[in-house]
Amino acid sequence: SQELEQSPQSLIVQEGKNLTINCTSSKTLYGLYWYKQKYGEGLIFLMMLQKGGEEKSHEKITAKLDEKKQQSSLHITASQPSHAGIYLCGADPLWRNQGGKLIFGQGTELSVKP
Amino acid sequence: NAGVTQTPKFRILKIGQSMTLQCAQDMNHNYMYWYRQDPGMGLKLIYYSVGAGITDKGEVPNGYNVSRSTTEDFPLRLELAAPSQTSVYFCASSSQGDGYTFGSGTRLTVV
Repeated sequence: SQELEQSPQSLIVQEGKNLTINCTSSKTLYGLYWYKQKYGEGLIFLMMLQKGGEEKSHEKITAKLDEKKQQSSLHITASQPSHAGIYLCGADPLWRNQGGKLIFGQGTELSVKP
Repeated sequence: NAGVTQTPKFRILKIGQSMTLQCAQDMNHNYMYWYRQDPGMGLKLIYYSVGAGITDKGEVPNGYNVSRSTTEDFPLRLELAAPSQTSVYFCASSSQGDGYTFGSGTRLTVV
């Protein structure tokens, strides 16, 4: 079965610093989702990457999908306290662009110090 | 749109009690899911449904049951609550090609 491993598991950065979170799959990635979870709340959809080499950005968050490395990275530029939370990557082992059950990494907890 | 609505938000159960976690979505999504989230473990899929009348087991189905009589509703049933079922439960829905929409979660404690 496919598994997703996120690194690091937790991260503390000073406000204004850049950071990267990685998500590595044990099998080929056909597509990947990134979510953010604020403490005590639900998951907020950030981005979905479908093609190898694809890169998407939203405000100061950029995500890339490297199919060959079976890996995706999430990069935050000039971090702010509002970026704090838990970031989760998710993938559909049976990706058919039709919706399916996602598996998730264990999450990366990000703290941003003012 | 309300999106995905979960009730209750919090609940404390005694061992052996039963309860139903409610989940409703108003986006006409075919796919619905139940996940549980434990600290440091990410989300584990309990059950999922690809449409009304169709359900299937996920990674951790033991101790749970679901039904999907309508497109909108996907309740999760705990028959005999155990301490191991203490967790945060998330319901989600999706449609073809879309990202998942998650509810705000139900925090369950079994004592």
